[in-house]
Amino acid sequence: AQSVTQLGSHVSVSEGALVLLRCNYSSSVPPYLFWYVQYPNQGLQLLLKYTSAATLVKGINGFEAEFKKSETSFHLTKPSAHMSDAAEYFCAVRNSGGYNKLIFGAGTRLAVHP
Amino acid sequence: NAGVTQTPKFQVLKTGQSMTLQCAQDMNHNSMYWYRQDPGMGLRLIYYSASEGTTDKGEVPNGYNVSRLNKREFSLRLESAAPSQTSVYFCASSELEHFQPTDTQYFGPGTRLTVL
Repeated sequence: AQSVTQLGSHVSVSEGALVLLRCNYSSSVPPYLFWYVQYPNQGLQLLLKYTSAATLVKGINGFEAEFKKSETSFHLTKPSAHMSDAAEYFCAVRNSGGYNKLIFGAGTRLAVHP
Repeated sequence: NAGVTQTPKFQVLKTGQSMTLQCAQDMNHNSMYWYRQDPGMGLRLIYYSASEGTTDKGEVPNGYNVSRLNKREFSLRLESAAPSQTSVYFCASSELEHFQPTDTQYFGPGTRLTVL
Protein backbone atom coordinates (compact mmCIF):
# COMPACT_ATOMS: atom_id res chain seq x y z
CA ALA A 1 0.00 0.00 0.00
CA GLN A 2 1.13 3.52 -0.69
CA SER A 3 1.71 6.13 1.99
CA VAL A 4 3.20 9.59 2.36
CA THR A 5 5.00 11.12 5.31
CA GLN A 6 5.67 14.83 5.53
CA LEU A 7 8.30 15.66 8.10
CA GLY A 8 7.41 18.76 10.07
CA SER A 9 3.86 19.99 10.36
CA HIS A 10 5.11 23.57 10.62
CA VAL A 11 8.12 25.16 8.95
CA SER A 12 9.15 28.77 9.45
CA VAL A 13 11.66 30.64 7.27
CA SER A 14 12.75 34.20 6.75
CA GLU A 15 11.93 36.02 3.56
CA GLY A 16 14.71 35.32 1.06
CA ALA A 17 15.80 32.09 2.75
CA LEU A 18 15.74 28.61 1.27
CA VAL A 19 12.49 26.70 1.56
CA LEU A 20 12.77 22.94 2.10
CA LEU A 21 9.66 20.87 2.71
CA ARG A 22 10.23 17.17 3.17
CA CYS A 23 8.20 14.31 1.78
CA ASN A 24 8.93 10.60 1.95
CA TYR A 25 6.78 8.02 0.28
CA SER A 26 6.17 4.32 0.42
CA SER A 27 5.08 2.56 -2.72
CA SER A 28 5.23 -0.97 -4.01
CA VAL A 29 5.13 0.24 -7.60
CA PRO A 30 6.90 3.09 -9.41
CA PRO A 31 5.25 6.10 -7.86
CA TYR A 32 3.59 9.14 -9.32
CA LEU A 33 4.10 12.02 -6.89
CA PHE A 34 2.49 15.41 -6.52
CA TRP A 35 2.87 18.59 -4.51
CA TYR A 36 -0.18 20.75 -3.90
CA VAL A 37 -0.43 24.14 -2.19
CA GLN A 38 -3.40 25.44 -0.25
CA TYR A 39 -3.66 29.16 0.44
CA PRO A 40 -5.91 30.26 3.32
CA ASN A 41 -9.58 29.57 2.71
CA GLN A 42 -8.92 28.20 -0.77
CA GLY A 43 -8.85 24.82 -2.45
CA LEU A 44 -5.72 22.94 -3.39
CA GLN A 45 -3.65 23.96 -6.39
CA LEU A 46 -1.15 21.73 -8.15
CA LEU A 47 2.45 22.94 -7.79
CA LEU A 48 4.19 20.14 -9.66
CA LYS A 49 4.10 16.44 -10.37
CA TYR A 50 6.53 13.61 -11.04
CA THR A 51 5.44 11.02 -13.56
CA SER A 52 8.63 9.05 -14.22
CA ALA A 53 10.21 11.49 -16.65
CA ALA A 54 12.94 13.83 -15.37
CA THR A 55 13.80 13.35 -11.69
CA LEU A 56 14.05 17.11 -11.12
CA VAL A 57 10.63 18.62 -11.60
CA LYS A 58 10.01 22.33 -11.91
CA GLY A 59 6.69 23.75 -10.89
CA ILE A 60 4.93 27.04 -10.58
CA ASN A 61 6.03 30.00 -8.45
CA GLY A 62 9.70 28.97 -8.52
CA PHE A 63 9.26 25.67 -6.70
CA GLU A 64 10.94 22.45 -7.70
CA ALA A 65 11.20 18.94 -6.35
CA GLU A 66 13.65 16.12 -6.86
CA PHE A 67 12.63 12.49 -6.98
CA LYS A 68 15.21 10.29 -5.26
CA LYS A 69 14.31 6.64 -5.53
CA SER A 70 17.13 5.48 -3.25
CA GLU A 71 15.87 7.72 -0.47
CA THR A 72 12.15 7.33 -1.33
CA SER A 73 11.93 11.10 -1.13
CA PHE A 74 10.34 13.91 -3.09
CA HIS A 75 11.33 17.06 -1.21
CA LEU A 76 10.04 20.45 -2.30
CA THR A 77 12.43 23.40 -2.50
CA LYS A 78 12.50 27.04 -3.42
CA PRO A 79 15.77 29.03 -3.36
CA SER A 80 14.31 32.23 -1.95
CA ALA A 81 11.10 32.45 0.06
CA HIS A 82 8.58 35.17 -0.54
CA MET A 83 5.88 36.34 1.84
CA SER A 84 3.27 35.10 -0.62
CA ASP A 85 4.57 31.54 -0.23
CA ALA A 86 2.96 31.27 3.21
CA ALA A 87 0.47 28.44 2.82
CA GLU A 88 -0.05 24.77 3.57
CA TYR A 89 1.70 22.28 1.31
CA PHE A 90 0.62 18.73 0.67
CA CYS A 91 2.60 15.90 -0.83
CA ALA A 92 0.59 13.11 -2.47
CA VAL A 93 1.22 9.79 -4.17
CA ARG A 94 -1.05 8.10 -6.65
CA ASN A 95 -2.61 4.95 -5.36
CA SER A 96 -1.98 1.88 -7.45
CA GLY A 97 -4.63 -0.22 -5.80
CA GLY A 98 -8.09 -1.22 -6.94
CA TYR A 99 -9.57 2.25 -6.83
CA ASN A 100 -8.48 5.59 -8.08
CA LYS A 101 -7.18 8.08 -5.61
CA LEU A 102 -4.39 10.30 -4.44
CA ILE A 103 -3.00 9.55 -1.00
CA PHE A 104 -2.14 12.79 0.76
CA GLY A 105 0.34 13.53 3.49
CA ALA A 106 -0.79 15.41 6.58
CA GLY A 107 0.51 18.69 5.24
CA THR A 108 3.19 21.21 6.19
CA ARG A 109 2.27 24.76 7.06
CA LEU A 110 4.90 27.20 5.84
CA ALA A 111 5.28 30.55 7.58
CA VAL A 112 7.47 33.26 6.04
CA HIS A 113 8.76 36.03 8.28
CA PRO A 114 10.08 39.42 7.14
CA ASN B 1 -14.53 29.57 -16.89
CA ALA B 2 -15.17 29.15 -13.16
CA GLY B 3 -13.40 25.79 -12.77
CA VAL B 4 -14.82 23.80 -9.85
CA THR B 5 -17.53 25.48 -7.79
CA GLN B 6 -19.02 24.31 -4.50
CA THR B 7 -22.07 25.37 -2.54
CA PRO B 8 -22.55 26.24 0.21
CA LYS B 9 -19.30 27.73 1.50
CA PHE B 10 -20.30 27.29 5.13
CA GLN B 11 -22.95 25.22 6.88
CA VAL B 12 -23.89 24.44 10.46
CA LEU B 13 -26.08 21.41 11.13
CA LYS B 14 -27.52 19.75 14.19
CA THR B 15 -26.90 16.08 14.78
CA GLY B 16 -29.33 14.01 12.74
CA GLN B 17 -30.07 16.65 10.13
CA SER B 18 -29.46 15.96 6.47
CA MET B 19 -27.96 18.08 3.73
CA THR B 20 -26.48 17.91 0.26
CA LEU B 21 -23.24 19.53 -0.79
CA GLN B 22 -23.23 20.60 -4.41
CA CYS B 23 -20.29 20.54 -6.80
CA ALA B 24 -20.10 21.55 -10.45
CA GLN B 25 -17.28 21.86 -12.96
CA ASP B 26 -17.27 23.60 -16.30
CA MET B 27 -14.10 22.06 -17.73
CA ASN B 28 -15.81 19.08 -19.39
CA HIS B 29 -13.93 16.75 -17.06
CA ASN B 30 -14.85 13.10 -16.85
CA SER B 31 -13.76 12.22 -13.31
CA MET B 32 -14.93 13.87 -10.11
CA TYR B 33 -14.06 13.36 -6.44
CA TRP B 34 -15.16 14.24 -2.93
CA TYR B 35 -12.56 14.61 -0.18
CA ARG B 36 -12.70 15.62 3.45
CA GLN B 37 -9.89 17.51 5.13
CA ASP B 38 -9.26 17.19 8.84
CA PRO B 39 -6.41 18.76 10.84
CA GLY B 40 -3.25 16.68 10.76
CA MET B 41 -4.73 14.11 8.39
CA GLY B 42 -4.41 15.64 4.95
CA LEU B 43 -7.23 14.89 2.53
CA ARG B 44 -9.09 11.61 2.48
CA LEU B 45 -11.20 10.42 -0.43
CA ILE B 46 -14.87 9.85 0.37
CA TYR B 47 -16.27 8.89 -3.04
CA TYR B 48 -15.29 9.33 -6.62
CA SER B 49 -16.87 9.10 -10.03
CA ALA B 50 -14.52 7.84 -12.72
CA SER B 51 -16.97 8.65 -15.49
CA GLU B 52 -20.49 9.91 -15.94
CA GLY B 53 -22.93 7.38 -14.56
CA THR B 54 -20.50 5.61 -12.23
CA THR B 55 -19.61 6.14 -8.58
CA ASP B 56 -17.30 4.24 -6.26
CA LYS B 57 -16.33 4.31 -2.61
CA GLY B 58 -13.08 5.83 -1.51
CA GLU B 59 -11.28 5.60 1.79
CA VAL B 60 -13.97 6.95 4.15
CA PRO B 61 -17.44 6.49 2.58
CA ASN B 62 -19.46 5.62 5.70
CA GLY B 63 -22.25 8.11 6.41
CA TYR B 64 -22.21 9.59 2.91
CA ASN B 65 -23.92 9.07 -0.42
CA VAL B 66 -23.16 10.61 -3.78
CA SER B 67 -24.92 11.27 -7.05
CA ARG B 68 -23.30 11.98 -10.40
CA LEU B 69 -26.21 13.95 -11.73
CA ASN B 70 -24.63 14.57 -15.13
CA LYS B 71 -21.14 15.14 -16.46
CA ARG B 72 -20.88 18.54 -14.74
CA GLU B 73 -22.36 17.86 -11.32
CA PHE B 74 -21.41 15.57 -8.44
CA SER B 75 -23.26 15.95 -5.14
CA LEU B 76 -22.46 14.60 -1.68
CA ARG B 77 -25.28 13.84 0.76
CA LEU B 78 -25.19 13.41 4.50
CA GLU B 79 -28.38 11.60 5.46
CA SER B 80 -28.02 11.92 9.23
CA ALA B 81 -25.18 14.22 10.19
CA ALA B 82 -22.90 13.36 13.10
CA PRO B 83 -20.33 15.53 14.92
CA SER B 84 -17.59 13.29 13.46
CA GLN B 85 -18.52 14.67 10.05
CA THR B 86 -17.43 18.15 11.03
CA SER B 87 -14.80 18.87 8.42
CA VAL B 88 -13.89 20.81 5.32
CA TYR B 89 -15.17 19.12 2.19
CA PHE B 90 -13.48 19.51 -1.16
CA CYS B 91 -14.73 18.53 -4.56
CA ALA B 92 -12.23 17.94 -7.35
CA SER B 93 -12.31 16.98 -11.00
CA SER B 94 -9.88 15.65 -13.56
CA GLU B 95 -10.03 15.43 -17.30
CA LEU B 96 -9.70 11.76 -18.03
CA GLU B 97 -11.88 8.81 -17.17
CA HIS B 98 -10.62 6.31 -14.66
CA PHE B 99 -7.87 8.40 -13.14
CA GLN B 100 -4.66 8.36 -15.08
CA PRO B 101 -1.47 9.08 -13.12
CA THR B 102 -0.60 12.12 -15.21
CA ASP B 103 -4.09 13.56 -14.89
CA THR B 104 -4.22 16.67 -12.70
CA GLN B 105 -7.00 17.06 -10.16
CA TYR B 106 -8.50 20.54 -9.88
CA PHE B 107 -10.06 21.47 -6.56
CA GLY B 108 -12.97 23.64 -5.58
CA PRO B 109 -12.77 26.20 -2.73
CA GLY B 110 -14.33 23.87 -0.15
CA THR B 111 -17.34 23.73 2.16
CA ARG B 112 -16.79 24.17 5.89
CA LEU B 113 -19.32 22.00 7.70
CA THR B 114 -19.92 22.02 11.44
CA VAL B 115 -22.20 19.45 13.05
CA LEU B 116 -23.32 20.29 16.56
